[in-house]
Amino acid sequence: GAVVSQHPSRVICKSGTSVKIECRSLDFQATTMFWYRQFPKQSLMLMATSNEGSKATYEQGVEKDKFLINHASLTLSTLTVTSAHPEDSSFYICSAFDRGYEQYFGPGTRLTVT
Amino acid sequence: GEDVEQSLFLSVREGDSSVINCTYTDSSSTYLYWYKQEPGAGLQLLTYIFSNMDMKQDQRLTVLLNKKDKHLSLRIADTQTGDSAIYFCAESPSGGGADGLTFGKGTHLIIQP
Repeated sequence: GAVVSQHPSRVICKSGTSVKIECRSLDFQATTMFWYRQFPKQSLMLMATSNEGSKATYEQGVEKDKFLINHASLTLSTLTVTSAHPEDSSFYICSAFDRGYEQYFGPGTRLTVT
Repeated sequence: GEDVEQSLFLSVREGDSSVINCTYTDSSSTYLYWYKQEPGAGLQLLTYIFSNMDMKQDQRLTVLLNKKDKHLSLRIADTQTGDSAIYFCAESPSGGGADGLTFGKGTHLIIQP
């Protein structure tokens, strides 16, 4: 099946710094990639949708200046958390879509802001 | 907005059937999905059902959809220890995988020996 990777799997950063998370589709080209956020014992919440070569579409309540998304190629999307604060600590999950009915999910990135 | 609800825990004995329930509010849901999440792994699609179907069976998995009541269930026959995971119900309003999904909070399936 299609494989999506995320890097890093875990990251700890200091408050005020920026962190970049990569999402790659390894064996297919993704026309659309999605970024989700998951809090403990909570559902995944869609943050934004990105299409290759165009600006990301953010969900209501998600700060686009804080969560920068770049979908530079059909196999890579990046999420940069700028000026991170402890409340940004969460599990960030990406998914990739090419065609049909299925999104393929990455294993997630655990971000801890100290 | 859309909402997807499911109970947080389900405990079953090994060998029994597990039934995980989900309700949703968006009547325009086109695709409904069940995903499995194991520690350290990405979400794995178990099965999906299109909104014009009321049942789908795939080996040990049976999905039932009651569109009138907006109720979806996942039955796992002969539950094994390897089925221990968090199961997420999710819905897509229109285009299948082309749209962001709305997820429930997940049901943690606990298997008793």
